[in-house]
Amino acid sequence: AQSVSQHNHHVILSEAASLELGCNYSYGGTVNLFWYVQYPGQHLQLLLKYFSGDPLVKGIKGFEAEFIKSKFSFNLRKPSVQWSDTAEYFCAVDNSGNTGKLIFGQGTTLQVKP
Amino acid sequence: DSGVTQTPKHLITATGQRVTLRCSPRSGDLSVYWYQQSLDQGLQFLIQYYNGEERAKGNILERFSAQQFPDLHSELNLSSLELGDSALYFCATLTRGSDGYTFGSGTRLTVV
Repeated sequence: AQSVSQHNHHVILSEAASLELGCNYSYGGTVNLFWYVQYPGQHLQLLLKYFSGDPLVKGIKGFEAEFIKSKFSFNLRKPSVQWSDTAEYFCAVDNSGNTGKLIFGQGTTLQVKP
Repeated sequence: DSGVTQTPKHLITATGQRVTLRCSPRSGDLSVYWYQQSLDQGLQFLIQYYNGEERAKGNILERFSAQQFPDLHSELNLSSLELGDSALYFCATLTRGSDGYTFGSGTRLTVV
């Protein structure tokens, strides 16, 4: 069965620190990859997505992610986090050859200290 | 506002009861996906509808059912509720060729 694994469950950083959240998926076929952010009490918002093309994708709010097909990974990065980045982050995979439903990772809670 | 509307935002009910959650997709979006977000299970896909027809089922209990109406809004029915059904229920729509999935704000269900 397809699965998505996020390595970090809870990350605490100081402002201006660099961020990298790991995401690995298990599916050998064509996939679309997403990172979503969920601020406290709010709905999931798309940070960035990868469908095809350049494996380094840039999203909103200075986030970027790199798709490494050989490693089945799609890690999220940000060079300098801000207090407002405190949220929960979800990696997700869409098996585009199937129904298109999203398989989510367990989520990573990011806490940025001012 | 994502354009995907879910009602109600909050729901508190007793064990054994039945509730209906509603999702209205954005204009032109034919697919509706339902997800459950709980502390122990994380975000899990429940069921998908496309233009009124069920397309896929995930980890949906038999006590739960859904449907999509001709105007494309969808309802998720949860019956014989248990404490463990307390969760945030999201619906999402899929617009191919754009940003992909758009999520509603969710319905927080508390079973007491």
